[in-house]
Amino acid sequence: GQQLNQSPQSMFIQEGEDVSMNCTSSSIFNTWLWYKQDPGEGPVLLIALYKAGELTSNGRLTAQFGITRKDSFLNISASIPSDVGIYFCAGQLEDSNYQLIWGAGTKLIIKP
Amino acid sequence: EAQVTQNPRYLITVTGKKLTVTCSQNMNHEYMSWYRQDPGLGLRQIYYSMNVEVTDKGDVPEGYKVSRKEKRNFPLILESPSPNQTSLYFCASGLTGLPYEQYFGPGTRLTVT
Repeated sequence: GQQLNQSPQSMFIQEGEDVSMNCTSSSIFNTWLWYKQDPGEGPVLLIALYKAGELTSNGRLTAQFGITRKDSFLNISASIPSDVGIYFCAGQLEDSNYQLIWGAGTKLIIKP
Repeated sequence: EAQVTQNPRYLITVTGKKLTVTCSQNMNHEYMSWYRQDPGLGLRQIYYSMNVEVTDKGDVPEGYKVSRKEKRNFPLILESPSPNQTSLYFCASGLTGLPYEQYFGPGTRLTVT
């Protein structure tokens, strides 16, 4: 089936560092979303992107819908301990009907 | 409080014993969906529903059934569970106009022995 390649798989960072992660595919997407999952909970929507080139911020988080419509990026500035968790990208394919394709997730860990 | 609730949160059962996981939302959302989450595989959609009495298969529907008799409820039924259905299950809901902006329940961890 269709795949999203999400990288990195995991990140160890120092508090205060900036974080970048991305999702890529060989397919074209109409929508990109970024979710965060805390331990023991369901994913929570962070940012939704609906247009190629769109750049959207939510506090310290910024996400972009790639110009080619095949990728998306999420940046977190000045990370804090509560940023720990798993971040998922999800995309709606150009020719799909209400289905999302999900990346495998990026696990963010803050070094003590 | 706007939320999606699932019950039970944890379930251990044996192969072949029929079970139902309930899902309910209080946001008047038309769209509801079931996912399973397995390590390294992200979220995979099982079934979704655009509205009452309208359901469709997702990526991994085999071995599962759903029904949507009321707008707020979307139960997941495993008629004859098998060990390969051991997983973490999430229910989600959203507005039909923005079905991709989904609100997730807290998850149900199912173990089939």
